[in-house]
Amino acid sequence: DTAVSQTPKYLVTQMGNDKSIKCEQNLGHDTMYWYKQDSKKFLKIMFSYNNKELIINETVPNRFSPKSPDKAHLNLHINSLELGDSAVYFCASSKFLRYSPLHFGNGTRLTVT
Amino acid sequence: AQTVTQSQPEMSVQEAETVTLSCTYDTSESDYYLFWYKQPPSRQMILVIRQEAYKQQNATENRFSVNFQKAAKSFSLKISDSQLGDAAMYFCAYLEGISGGYQKVTFGTGTKLQVIP
Repeated sequence: DTAVSQTPKYLVTQMGNDKSIKCEQNLGHDTMYWYKQDSKKFLKIMFSYNNKELIINETVPNRFSPKSPDKAHLNLHINSLELGDSAVYFCASSKFLRYSPLHFGNGTRLTVT
Repeated sequence: AQTVTQSQPEMSVQEAETVTLSCTYDTSESDYYLFWYKQPPSRQMILVIRQEAYKQQNATENRFSVNFQKAAKSFSLKISDSQLGDAAMYFCAYLEGISGGYQKVTFGTGTKLQVIP
């Protein structure tokens, strides 16, 4: 009965490759997010989607392309991976209510070599 | 842009003692929410406690309580009777409503809490 699930948990790949991270939530939430946590543990929002519509895009390189096939899924595709993309990527979701807290997945640790 | 500052990169506390983690934020809004999240070594982000800006009463969840000072834009977390399982990174977070009824959450840089047996 996992609430927000991400796959894979770990991802190791070489520079220049293209990879995807999948996220699914079974909480019935309308809003989903991608956050990036760098090596210093700083969490920064990348994207926010509400019912498949892009709401927030925080100055993320266009190599990153989120896709939301339905409101329960938000996938992250990354093209031409760079060393600086190494980080932990968290998916999260929330209700479409003001001041609804985020529910996080367990993160995907991406390592680019 | 809103900013959230956690001035203590690391803290330590003896088991069963009390520790307070600091957080300040910058905003011109009057209506917002504040949260503390815990991230243990397992990497999972766990909601610890929340506080609505309009509520003067400080939130409490079992051993966790906050000291919310709206005028000072301060939101500290107090952990009483510290347990080994409390060892984690703690993130302060500010949630604001943005246009269209959506919301955005900004996190502080985190405080790593060590619990000494």
